[in-house]
Amino acid sequence: SQTIHQWPATLVQPVGSPLSLECTVEGTSNPNLYWYRQAAGRGLQLLFYSVGIGQISSEVPQNLSASRPQDRQFILSSKKLLLSDSGFYLCAWTEGPTLNEKLFFGSGTQLSVL
Amino acid sequence: SQQGEEDPQALSIQEGENATMNCSYKTSINNLQWYRQNSGRGLVHLILIRSNEREKHSGRLRVTLDTSKKSSSLLITASRAADTASYFCATDYSNDYKLSFGAGTTVTVRA
Repeated sequence: SQTIHQWPATLVQPVGSPLSLECTVEGTSNPNLYWYRQAAGRGLQLLFYSVGIGQISSEVPQNLSASRPQDRQFILSSKKLLLSDSGFYLCAWTEGPTLNEKLFFGSGTQLSVL
Repeated sequence: SQQGEEDPQALSIQEGENATMNCSYKTSINNLQWYRQNSGRGLVHLILIRSNEREKHSGRLRVTLDTSKKSSSLLITASRAADTASYFCATDYSNDYKLSFGAGTTVTVRA
């Protein structure tokens, strides 16, 4: 069966420090991969999605970037964190071919930028 | 931009009662999905209903879709304390398959 791993669960970082969040999926090949951010009490905002290795689509201009170095690995990064980057980050995957199928979510990373 | 909006924002019910929440959206869709999120956790998929379907059931969950009114409802029957969670609807746009999530309905089931 398929599983998705996301780490770390909690992260406290100072303003201006770098960020790297990692997500891996097991038990499937060529998944569509997503990074979402959830502000407290709000819905999910799609940040990035990827339909294949090295293929990254950005949904909103921001201080973050994403990479997909391997088929089942998705990384969210920042060179210098801002206070506004605080939030709950969720990685997710779907099986192809379209982007609107059932999403499987990781357990999330609570990021606090201080 | 946000496509779907849930109503009400919060709902408190007694165990055993039914809970109903609604989702309205703005443009035509291919499908609509409902998800549950327990506090501090990832979202869990509940039901996907396609634009040519009007009703779907899964256990104690019933989802309806009215494309003429651009709205959907999620009914949880015979609620339990374990149903306490936030519930989100997610819709795509018919010409852009990416999903857009609403702000959610927070459901509290009192024992």
